[in-house]
Amino acid sequence: KAGVTQTPRYLIKTRGQQVTLSCSPISGHRSVSWYQQTPGQGLQFLFEYFSETQRNKGNFPGRFSGRQFSNSRSEMNVSTLELGDSALYLCASSLLMNTEAFFGQGTRLTVV
Amino acid sequence: KNEVEQSPQNLTAQEGEFITINCSYSVGISALHWLQQHPGGGIVSLFMLSSGKKKHGRLIATINIQEKHSSLHITASHPRDSAVYICAPDNTDKLIFGTGTRLQVFP
Repeated sequence: KAGVTQTPRYLIKTRGQQVTLSCSPISGHRSVSWYQQTPGQGLQFLFEYFSETQRNKGNFPGRFSGRQFSNSRSEMNVSTLELGDSALYLCASSLLMNTEAFFGQGTRLTVV
Repeated sequence: KNEVEQSPQNLTAQEGEFITINCSYSVGISALHWLQQHPGGGIVSLFMLSSGKKKHGRLIATINIQEKHSSLHITASHPRDSAVYICAPDNTDKLIFGTGTRLQVFP
């Protein structure tokens, strides 16, 4: 069974640009969550999607958005990138909400 | 005060030693996850537990819901156990994370 796949693995963007990250969950999993990891703040919850609906959102500005498609694949978008958005972005999938989470390898975003 | 406190922050051990990592939390939870993160970033879910004790190989996780405390134990530690271990209580809305414990096991 394939694991959670995140693309791309590495990304370099310039301040002010926007970026879209992709997450393909484990087949059959309907819940996808996104997290940001930085050296200063550690791991922080961004949002959770289930059946194409955002169920929960963390304390991040509106520049951070996401969506989930009917096949459960999810994308997150960050607009007007700032240097502080440089981080490892992780997604996790679970069969249902509040069940065991399986993490992807992450996308390392560098904003210059 | 942080909602999740992990101790110790750093831990070094000799191969074969018994390791304990502690996690205390202040929020109500439906479950608690223990995660392992190796250099390079990938995270592996080790346990999800809501009561009692779970064992997988050399790893044991326990939780006391009344005391809001969980522990992760590694028996007969091995250099390949070197990683960051993260406690993540699930307070129904979302996972909240401890700062992690960096474990180094030397041969």
